[in-house]
Order: sequence, then structure tokens, then C-alpha cells
Amino acid sequence: EVVLTQSPATLSLSPGERATLSCRASQSVSGFYLAWYQQKLGQAPRLLIYGASSRAPGIPDRFSGSGSGTDFTLTISRLEPEDFAVYYCQQYDRSVTFGGGTMVEIK
Amino acid sequence: EVQLVESGGGLVQPGRSLRLSCVATGFSFDDYAMHWVRQVPGKGLEWVSGISWDSEIIGYADSVKGRFTISRDNAKKSLFLQMNSLRNEDTALYYCVKGVISLIAWFDPWGQGTLVTVSS
Repeated sequence: EVVLTQSPATLSLSPGERATLSCRASQSVSGFYLAWYQQKLGQAPRLLIYGASSRAPGIPDRFSGSGSGTDFTLTISRLEPEDFAVYYCQQYDRSVTFGGGTMVEIK
Repeated sequence: EVQLVESGGGLVQPGRSLRLSCVATGFSFDDYAMHWVRQVPGKGLEWVSGISWDSEIIGYADSVKGRFTISRDNAKKSLFLQMNSLRNEDTALYYCVKGVISLIAWFDPWGQGTLVTVSS
């Protein structure tokens, strides 16, 4: 099983700041088969990024994904008030597994 | 607009069974793989099972293999999850999610979920 480790567990930032979230895989994820989701309190997760760097339809361009192999990053260039949420990475190279999540909270 | 509406959750005793349903609207249901993903309230996400558009390819998480059965009815645009021999650790919010043409890929969108509570 591919284990995804997200860091940090919690990120405390202010609106307007840049957020950098990490997702590290226990084995190489081939084909850029990695996605990112945003989950707000009481809501279902929403797809942000697939294929490691492709934005889903309707996702603002302040969200960007990068990385390959075992190290992936989600960057939010300038945090808006609605971006404070929990973010999960998911690999779909070998079956499906999710990371434990990173909470982005208001500082 | 794509919508996925789950039903069938509830309180059930350990060892008993429950059948979840999901009705899809707003897209060509029989063109896409479909999945169930669960989340213990306040915790992370766990993929449970997935089924290809034609039901030919099915996958399960090890934690539910042999106990859960996924199925679909393309004519009724519906996805199902038959859960047998339920355990306390199966307690979670179960999401119905739309995949892509390939069985294993990203998930978009997600339903709002149906809560399953396994307790005596």
C-alpha cells in the first residue's frame, strides 16, 4: 500500500499569505497520479487538482500543484478567507490511498 | 449539474447488514466508474470500493473485502453498497463519488454522504 504523509498537520496563516502543503509518498507514484481535495467543515471534499498539476474546472488559479515521484506540493498563492479548510492528497497509481490531511487555519 | 444523493445509512448492530444506495443525475452515468469513500467523523478519508462503468472491474479495500459488495444499475443511474458482517470500525460517513472512465483515478464530485453507525 502506498502511504501518503502530509505535512504539516496544521498550518496557521493569515489571509493574503502563501500556503505550501506537502504530500510525501512511501513509494514512487508513477504517471503523476496524484490529486488534491479541499474539505470545509460539514461539507464533502471538493477536487482541486488532478494529475499532480491540472486544476479541476472552476478552481481559481491561486491553487497550483507540483511534484513527481514521492514528493508533491499544493500551493495557494494568496489565501482568501474561504480557503481555510482541510486539504487531502490522494494517489491513484496503485489502488487508492489518501493522506491524513493538512488543516489550514487562520492565524 | 452533477448530483449524487446517498441514502440507506442508519444505526445497526454489529454483525448485521445494511445496503446503501446512490442516485446520480446530471451526467451519463453509464460512462463512468463509481466509488464509495468513507470518513470517520473528524478523521481522514478511506476508499472503500469502486466499480467500472460496465461492472466488469471491481475493487475493494482490504478492510472490507469479503464483507461488502458494490454494484450498479445503469438503467436506474444508481450505485449500491451491500454491507454485511458490519463491525464497529465501519462506523463512518459514506460518500458516493464519481470517477472517470478508468476504474482508478480522481473523484469528482462527491455526494453529501450517508452516516452509518455500527453499535450495540
